[in-house]
Amino acid sequence: DVKVTQSSRYLVKRTGEKVFLECVQDMDHENMFWYRQDPGLGLRLIYFSYDVKMKEKGDIPEGYSVSREKKERFSLILESASTNQTSMYLCAGGGRPFYGYTFGSGTRLTVV
Amino acid sequence: AQSVSQHNHHVILSEAASLELGCNYSYGGTVNLFWYVQYPGQHLQLLLKYFSGDPLVKGIKGFEAEFIKSKFSFNLRKPSVQWSDTAEYFCAVSLMDSSYKLIFGSGTRLLVRP
Repeated sequence: DVKVTQSSRYLVKRTGEKVFLECVQDMDHENMFWYRQDPGLGLRLIYFSYDVKMKEKGDIPEGYSVSREKKERFSLILESASTNQTSMYLCAGGGRPFYGYTFGSGTRLTVV
Repeated sequence: AQSVSQHNHHVILSEAASLELGCNYSYGGTVNLFWYVQYPGQHLQLLLKYFSGDPLVKGIKGFEAEFIKSKFSFNLRKPSVQWSDTAEYFCAVSLMDSSYKLIFGSGTRLLVRP
């Protein structure tokens, strides 16, 4: 099974800070995703990447950017953190969709 | 825009009761369908998936789901729930274009009382 590791389980940042959330997968899979999970809203796609240096906006990309310089690493960047970005952030990775995607354990970000 | 609807946001059942969670999607093209489960404090795990073929698919832990194309539905069922099934359940759709992105429903929180 693909293993997806998110570098931090909990983060507390101040408004206006630049925040980096890191995600690493241990298999040679093309597709990686960043979601945010909020109660009652399910998972909403922020950005995804289907290859190195390739990225596409998801449904809620505003206030976020991403970086994929290596196949195994997909970073989510909050350029200037705001309180409405307090959320659980989930990274996922995988190959063909038939196999389903593997999720990391999540990073709970609090912006104060 | 494509969307996935889960009509039941909270479900409370007693052990041994039967479960059915609804999922509808809005997309006219070919889709792959998934149910994921998130147990308290754990990461999302794949429960079952439909790609093609038999519309009745069986997953782990006694769960099954039926794809009804004419109704754009993919409902999750289990004949007899256990306390350990307490979790949040997410329906998801992936689109058969080049993007492979997953679109999730808002989730259903299931509480099973012993």
